[in-house]
Amino acid sequence: DGGITQSPKYLFRKEGQNVTLSCEQNLNHDAMYWYRQDPGQGLRLIYYSQIVNDFQKGDIAEGYSVSREKKESFPLTVTSAQKNPTAFYLCASSKARQGPWETQYFGPGTRLLVL
Amino acid sequence: DAKTTQPPSMDCAEGRAANLPCNHSTISGNEYVYWYRQIHSQGPQYIIHGLKNNETNEMASLIITEDRKSSTLILPHATLRDTAVYYCIVRVENTGNQFYFGTGTSLTVIP
Repeated sequence: DGGITQSPKYLFRKEGQNVTLSCEQNLNHDAMYWYRQDPGQGLRLIYYSQIVNDFQKGDIAEGYSVSREKKESFPLTVTSAQKNPTAFYLCASSKARQGPWETQYFGPGTRLLVL
Repeated sequence: DAKTTQPPSMDCAEGRAANLPCNHSTISGNEYVYWYRQIHSQGPQYIIHGLKNNETNEMASLIITEDRKSSTLILPHATLRDTAVYYCIVRVENTGNQFYFGTGTSLTVIP
């Protein structure tokens, strides 16, 4: 049963704390992405990775960090520098590194709340 | 980048066709149009995509105007489960397959 999994479904962060959101895919996709969604808004790109050990900043990378040590995994760390982290976080993957036809497939999302 | 404009909300009677419009007047010649939908608190679901020709799959049809400046997603027989936010997306070229998501159209299917 192939797909993208994100964990946890809900995550709580205390002030000054770093938290890491997990994203795993077994679709053998090269590219992976992290988006942030605020209430009533569309998705905004945080980071993306086209290949293992390489990633690029998206539109709102400040306060976030990522790693891509394995093809299947693309964890996102929300650091204490991110002052407004409460949002719905979505991970996606796609087949090829480049190509306008490559559909992105999304995970179920993680909702991050600040205590 | 080619951005999109969609109406913020629409209603559709159950069993009728839902026609969702999208304007993308600055689209480049080799940029595809994608449609996704998002049911509340879930990840977006891929529906369909196209370049120039009209496309149809088991979920929907996509009609793209000849000048490619606008498109319409058609759900032929809307059901209550089609209630969702629908996003029309044009891929931003040369940015690693980055998608630009606007605020979409909130479709409500009415019994």
